[in-house]
Amino acid sequence: EVQLVESGGGLVQPGGSLRLSCAASGFTFSSYWMHWVRQAPGKGLVWLSRTNSDDSSTKYADSVKGRFTISRDNAKNTLYLQMNSLRAEDTAVYYCARERGYSGYDLDYWGQGTLVTVSS
Amino acid sequence: DIQMTQSPSSLSASVGDRVTITCRASQSISSYLNWYQQKPGKAPQVLIYAASSLQSGVPSRFSGSGSGTDFTLTISSLQPEDFATYYCQQSYSSPYTFGQGTKLEIK
Repeated sequence: EVQLVESGGGLVQPGGSLRLSCAASGFTFSSYWMHWVRQAPGKGLVWLSRTNSDDSSTKYADSVKGRFTISRDNAKNTLYLQMNSLRAEDTAVYYCARERGYSGYDLDYWGQGTLVTVSS
Repeated sequence: DIQMTQSPSSLSASVGDRVTITCRASQSISSYLNWYQQKPGKAPQVLIYAASSLQSGVPSRFSGSGSGTDFTLTISSLQPEDFATYYCQQSYSSPYTFGQGTKLEIK
């Protein structure tokens, strides 16, 4: 069974940093591109970032470019999101998701999400 | 960036109704269009990918169509468990933008 489990969320002050993790199991993690998506309270889904299977190519939304860094450790089956210079508007539930791959480029499995609150 | 616009933003319907949600891209995205359902407090789940491919396990009352810039999600006969928020997403080019969502409520 495919599972994605996020961790690392919590309360952080504006300007602070946080690293989210996404532990993957039930599939060959190193073969799949992975994404981060967030959702502010009561708002819609916002795509944030994507890394390819060997972490050699990454993409970011403008809203987080230069502040957030996506990475992965295929030996540990884990995806990361390093978040720096956090702002109040970064408060959201953060989801990791797997990209289906060759037969489709949707996000076919999602984690349960981890809440990040940026507040003083 | 490609903008995705869904309509309507909200919709009231009854069990058994046929419902259509539309999604328009600001430029052609071929068939790189996906539909997700999200229920309160839960992660989104994919319903339709590549514009018209039904995700395994999703009931056949859900269908998707379109290509280029205009897409539709149709629910042929609403069931109680279908009341949720629906999002389209383009996977044509980064940033892989979502529509603003359509909240489907019980009439």
